[in-house]
Amino acid sequence: DGGITQSPKYLFRKEGQNVTLSCEQNLNHDAMYWYRQDPGQGLRLIYYSQIVNDFQKGDIAEGYSVSREKKESFPLTVTSAQKNPTAFYLCASRDPGQGSYEQYFGPGTRLTVT
Amino acid sequence: GENVEQHPSTLSVQEGDSAVIKCTYSDSASNYFPWYKQELGKRPQLIIDIRSNVGEKKDQRIAVTLNKTAKHFSLHITETQPEDSAVYFCAAGISSGSARQLTFGSGTQLTVLP
Repeated sequence: DGGITQSPKYLFRKEGQNVTLSCEQNLNHDAMYWYRQDPGQGLRLIYYSQIVNDFQKGDIAEGYSVSREKKESFPLTVTSAQKNPTAFYLCASRDPGQGSYEQYFGPGTRLTVT
Repeated sequence: GENVEQHPSTLSVQEGDSAVIKCTYSDSASNYFPWYKQELGKRPQLIIDIRSNVGEKKDQRIAVTLNKTAKHFSLHITETQPEDSAVYFCAAGISSGSARQLTFGSGTQLTVLP
């Protein structure tokens, strides 16, 4: 299954709580990405990181935060400021090969906030 | 930013028939166009991709065509089988320095009827 893992698979939280989603890869990829998937809306980019200690906002960063302290790890925190956090979250990493665009996805975490 | 539109949102075909999914993009700087297949509850997986310097690419029963002038690209699946049933996403890739981002379409639920 490709060396990129996300945990847990299902996560339940009460409204108002922050929650951190894990993403780990052993593919030696520099670039990592977080996407949110909602029914009928495809994948939307939350944050991405090209290299350790550097990350940029994507299209829907409000209410989320990330860190990139290690090459292998790119955790996503869903804060209480995110108005509609219930969704399927996908992490991906990109092959560093020259000119490569291909992204490899983790299995995803389904977050439910009530 | 880039905007990718995908049609149709749902598609049902009889086993053995062909299926065609179409996408349009807005940014002429996009130069990479992948297609991902996502089975229910699983991670998206790359099935075929095309670069902007190529007009068509085939891989067994799957083909992708690109019309740069019109800014649209299509996925063609021939001799469909029940295991082709899944959600298919198109995407457009753009680079900015070493950074590479994908913007995804909203997905097509393909159902192959036996």
